Amino acid sequence: DIQLTQSPSFLSASVGDRVTITCRASQGISSYLAWYQQKPGKAPKLLIYAASTLQSGVPSRFSGSGSGTEFTLTISSLQPEDFATYYCQQLNSYPRTFGGGTKVEIK
Amino acid sequence: EVQLVESGGGLVQPGRSLRLSCAASGFTFDDYAMHWVRQAPGKGLEWVSGISWNSGSIGYADSVKGRFTISRDNAKNSLYLQMNSLRAEDMALYYCAKEISSGWSWGFDYWGQGTLVTVSS
Repeated sequence: DIQLTQSPSFLSASVGDRVTITCRASQGISSYLAWYQQKPGKAPKLLIYAASTLQSGVPSRFSGSGSGTEFTLTISSLQPEDFATYYCQQLNSYPRTFGGGTKVEIK
Repeated sequence: EVQLVESGGGLVQPGRSLRLSCAASGFTFDDYAMHWVRQAPGKGLEWVSGISWNSGSIGYADSVKGRFTISRDNAKNSLYLQMNSLRAEDMALYYCAKEISSGWSWGFDYWGQGTLVTVSS
């Protein structure tokens, strides 16, 4: 099974900061990686798919990059509504594993 | 408007069974693979199981393999998860999720609100 390791697991940042979250796969997954945002009490929301494609309706301050085993999610200027937990997911093979999550909190 | 509505959750004793359902609407259900994802209280997301549009490809997490069975009825626009031999560690909110593409697997663009499964004696 493919394991995904997200770092950091917790991040404290201020509004306007540039934030980068990393997701590393235990083996190559090409570009079969998605990023989700989840707020408390809500279902996850798809932000990025195919490693770098912005989902419709998602603000352009979110971007994704990478391929193979190393991927990043970047928020160019953190907004108040971005404080949430972020997950990566690999879709290269079954099981479709998720990373452990990164909680972004207000500094 | 795409809607996914889960049902069937509840309180069940360890070792017993439960069947979850997900009613889909607002899209051509039999064009898309579907998945179950769970989240234990205060924990992260765990992918549970997925099924292709025609049930020809099915996958399970190691933690549920041999105990859970995913299925779908395209005529009824419905997804199911039969959960047997339930354990305390299966207690979670179970989400139904739709693939974004009818071709390759790229991500899950719509999710239900979840149905809660509580396993306790």
